Formats: sequence, structure tokens, C-alpha cells
Amino acid sequence: DAGVIQSPRHEVTEMGQEVTLRCKPISGHDYLFWYRQTMMRGLELLIYFNNNVPIDDSGMPEDRFSAKMPNASFSTLKIQPSEPRDSAVYFCASSLDVSPLHFGNGTRLTVT
Amino acid sequence: SQQGEEDPQALSIQEGENATMNCSYKTSINNLQWYRQNSGRGLVHLILIRSNEREKHSGRLRVTLDTSKKSSSLLITASRAADTASYFCATVSLSGNTPLVFGKGTRLSVIA
Repeated sequence: DAGVIQSPRHEVTEMGQEVTLRCKPISGHDYLFWYRQTMMRGLELLIYFNNNVPIDDSGMPEDRFSAKMPNASFSTLKIQPSEPRDSAVYFCASSLDVSPLHFGNGTRLTVT
Repeated sequence: SQQGEEDPQALSIQEGENATMNCSYKTSINNLQWYRQNSGRGLVHLILIRSNEREKHSGRLRVTLDTSKKSSSLLITASRAADTASYFCATVSLSGNTPLVFGKGTRLSVIA
């Protein structure tokens, strides 16, 4: 089992650019979560899916953020346009039932 | 909010000593979980304690839960340098079907 795989591990982009983060959950898991981690706010839940269907996106900060899960083995989180305040580590996690969670190693996003 | 809050924010101990971290939360829960995060990595699930349990052990880890005080503690006995990490508690609501809400964590440093 390779665990949850996220790509890229690091992303540096300029303000205004589109950013796409990718996640491959553990096979067989029916929940997928996107979290954002910053020093100021800790771990924030952005959105989660159950059986590929978005259940709660109330944590998505603005319309600039969108997430999709086209199939059980792939999800994307897109930020368009990106802003410096979006700089953070973004984690994807998956689970069988709602918990416990298995996290990927995150994508460190820097927006200059 | 049912968000767990860890205390202390940071803890520094000598190798071989015990480390105790505390977590408080605000609403009734189904279960409480502890996770560890090594620098630059995703969170790793350590232990889950259900609301009808008072204590649970796993190797050098001991978790207690006091639902009347809405608090939990994580004890790491005979700490090692490899235990250096951030530790987070997270709660699941009474219904059991809502995603985890994490605290900001305790940063543990174990000095060899």
C-alpha cells in the first residue's frame, strides 16, 4: 500500500497564476479530505468527499478555490487566481468511514 | 465548535522522561483521536478512544478521556529523540459521521 500520494510536493508560483494540487487516495477508501495547514490557523478542513461526491465545502475560503473528484482514485484542488495569502501546506487525506484519516505528505505552496 | 485544543503549545524534555500533553474540547463526542506529525510530513494516526472508554494503551502511549471535563491526555513514557514531533488531538461529533476537527497541536522536543 503506497499510502495517499500528493503532487507536487512543492509549488512556487506568482500571484495571479492558476495552481492545481493533486491527490491519489488509498484504494478502497470512500472518504477524501482536503486540509490546509498554516502556523496561524493550524489545520483547516476545506472540503470533503464521500464516494466521489462533495459533502461539505463550507471550509473553502473563496470562489477562487475549487475541488473535484472525477473518480475514486483521483482528486484535484485548484486555486485560480492564486494570492500570497494562499501560501500554506495543503494536505489530502483519505479514510474508510469518516475516520481515522490517512494523510499524504502534503504540497507546500508558496505564492509570491 | 468541537475543535480540540492542545496544551501546552510546546514541550521540551530529556530522553527517557515522560511527556504529557492535554486536549480540551467543547461539545459531546463520539470519539477522540491523537495524531503525530513529523516535520515536513503528513499526520499519522496514533490512537482512538471512544466516548465510553476512560483509558487506552498502545505501546508507550497511554491516552485517557474524561468526558465530564471534556478533556483527554496523551502520555508518552520513556521518550526517545524519535518522538520529537507535533501531536494533535481531533474529535468526532456524537453522530460519528462528521469529519475530524483538529487543534493546533503540541510541539514536543525530546533532547538526547
